[in-house]
Amino acid sequence: KNQVEQSPQSLIILEGKNCTLQCNYTVSPFSNLRWYKQDTGRGPVSLTIMTFSENTKSNGRYTATLDADTKQSSLHITASQLSDSASYICVASDRGSTLGRLYFGRGTQLTVWP
Amino acid sequence: EADIYQTPRYLVIGTGKKITLECSQTMGHDKMYWYQQDPGMELHLIHYSYGVNSTEKGDLSSESTVSRIRTEHFPLTLESARPSHTSQYLCASSGGNYNEQFFGPGTRLTVL
Repeated sequence: KNQVEQSPQSLIILEGKNCTLQCNYTVSPFSNLRWYKQDTGRGPVSLTIMTFSENTKSNGRYTATLDADTKQSSLHITASQLSDSASYICVASDRGSTLGRLYFGRGTQLTVWP
Repeated sequence: EADIYQTPRYLVIGTGKKITLECSQTMGHDKMYWYQQDPGMELHLIHYSYGVNSTEKGDLSSESTVSRIRTEHFPLTLESARPSHTSQYLCASSGGNYNEQFFGPGTRLTVL
């Protein structure tokens, strides 16, 4: 069964600290791995997209890693800011159809305190 | 920010009413999608479209219907709303490398 699991479910950190969010997926055949940021009451916004041949990609203070062998990904946030408070969603895409079906995790709810 | 729009942003209606959630995009994408999301839960695909006059049901069974008469427009309709339809509805379109999906801001629907 294709699925995506994220941990932790929620996380509270102090402003300025770093954190790492985890994602395990079992999507097959695997195409790419995406991380989205979703603010409360808003739609998800893409942070990074990595294919199976890429093992790291950065977007400002966000750095994603991918290990296609162990089917694991992580999102590292450096020097957190209050505006980083959001849900971070891991999404795996398959290449078994022209639609490129997406499989969504439930997200990690990150809260950054001043 | 992606050029994809949804209206209304919030809607509170009574049981039995017919509603249409609007979604439009200006990116010229052929593929469009509707997702349903409950608080703290993952997004579930309820409808998608490959292009004009193409509509398909997604993974999650839904009593809603969609239409795709124009490339930029993908409305979702509920003929008779029920409290079980209370949820957030997200519209998306995709294109370019990796078939990247761009999401609208969502419509928060509450059926009393």
